[in-house]
Amino acid sequence: AQTVTQSQPEMSVQEAETVTLSCTYDTSESDYYLFWYKQPPSRQMILVIRQEAYKQQNATENRFSVNFQKAAKSFSLKISDSQLGDAAMYFCAYRSAGSGNTPLVFGKGTRLSVIA
Amino acid sequence: ETGVTQSPTHLIKTRGQQVTLRCSSQSGHNTVSWYQQALGQGPQFIFQYYREEENGRGNFPPRFSGLQFPNYSSELNVNALELDDSALYLCASSSQYNEQFFGPGTRLTVL
Repeated sequence: AQTVTQSQPEMSVQEAETVTLSCTYDTSESDYYLFWYKQPPSRQMILVIRQEAYKQQNATENRFSVNFQKAAKSFSLKISDSQLGDAAMYFCAYRSAGSGNTPLVFGKGTRLSVIA
Repeated sequence: ETGVTQSPTHLIKTRGQQVTLRCSSQSGHNTVSWYQQALGQGPQFIFQYYREEENGRGNFPPRFSGLQFPNYSSELNVNALELDDSALYLCASSSQYNEQFFGPGTRLTVL
């Protein structure tokens, strides 16, 4: 079974600075997807960024980028120019690239605080 | 385009009771997945429905059951509630091979 580990229960960052959230995963599969989700106090899980394992290029979405190291099974999220609205729980998630829509496997999350 | 909606927002039940949670999927989506998120934890997969059939199940007992309707909306039923069932229940809808979009969740408290 696949597992996802987030070793930082809490992180904080100054507004406008950069922060990196860590994630490692364990799998024997070669084809899969990795995600970062944001969960603000409103509870709704929002997709931040997605990475296909077969792509060597790291995904980027505006201020959000990932460092995907397939051999090390590492998938970190970098948030640049942090904003107050970035404060939330961040979850790393894994999904097998099987047939159909396979379920997400989540880590325990990292609570990010942004200091004004 | 209407997103994923869930009802009710909050619910309080007592141990041993039964509960039904509802989810309306996003327009065009035929797959609904349910997740349980205990306090301080990441969501855990309960089961998935595709075209009205259960299409995968996580490590949850049979007292967790579900339905999907022809319009692809879904229900999660939990019988014989236990204190540990207290959690946020998240529904996510998707088309068969694409991203899962989450609803705002139902907070269930079991006393």
